[in-house]
Amino acid sequence: AQKVTQAQTEISVVEKEDVTLDCVYETRDTTYYLFWYKQPPSGELVFLIRRNSFDEQNEISGRYSWNFQKSTSSFNFTITASQVVDSAVYFCALSEFSSYGGSQGNLIFGKGTKLSVKP
Amino acid sequence: DTEVTQTPKHLVMGMTNKKSLKCEQHMGHRAMYWYKQKAKKPPELMFVYSYEKLSINESVPSRFSPECPNSSLLNLHLHALQPEDSALYLCASSLTTANYGYTFGSGTRLTVV
Repeated sequence: AQKVTQAQTEISVVEKEDVTLDCVYETRDTTYYLFWYKQPPSGELVFLIRRNSFDEQNEISGRYSWNFQKSTSSFNFTITASQVVDSAVYFCALSEFSSYGGSQGNLIFGKGTKLSVKP
Repeated sequence: DTEVTQTPKHLVMGMTNKKSLKCEQHMGHRAMYWYKQKAKKPPELMFVYSYEKLSINESVPSRFSPECPNSSLLNLHLHALQPEDSALYLCASSLTTANYGYTFGSGTRLTVV
């Protein structure tokens, strides 16, 4: 069965520190997508990144970077020089694509990591 | 327009009330979703509509009744809810269920008293 584990429940850092949020996933399929979402207190889920299972290139977007390693089933997220505005709950999620049934569109979320960045 | 709009943003209802949540998108997406998120928990899928047809119902109690009147609108009708149904209800859409570009709305915070 598919599963996403975010072992860090809460992380607290001081502004300008770098922080890495861990994500480990389990899936039986060879084709799947991984996501990171940010959820500020307002509640909206803000899309950060999508990565398919065939693309293991790491990605950098401004202060954000992602490290995808299929060998360890991990998709970690690093924020460089964190800012107070980065304070939020961050969710890692998995969507499978079955070659038989296609995708049902179901996102499997991890439990989330609450990041607090203090000034 | 690249948004999913949910109304109302907040709703308080009694256990005997009937209310509806509304979700709207004008991005031409043909897949729409309802997720339920309890406090300090991740979102959990409730329903998936694909081309206005219900394709997934994750064993949701019948007091939640979804409706997709057209490709832009998704409703969630609520009746005889329980206090434990209090949660953030999130709507999302994607081009199709096979397209993984999900866009989420800001949610409706529902309190059942």
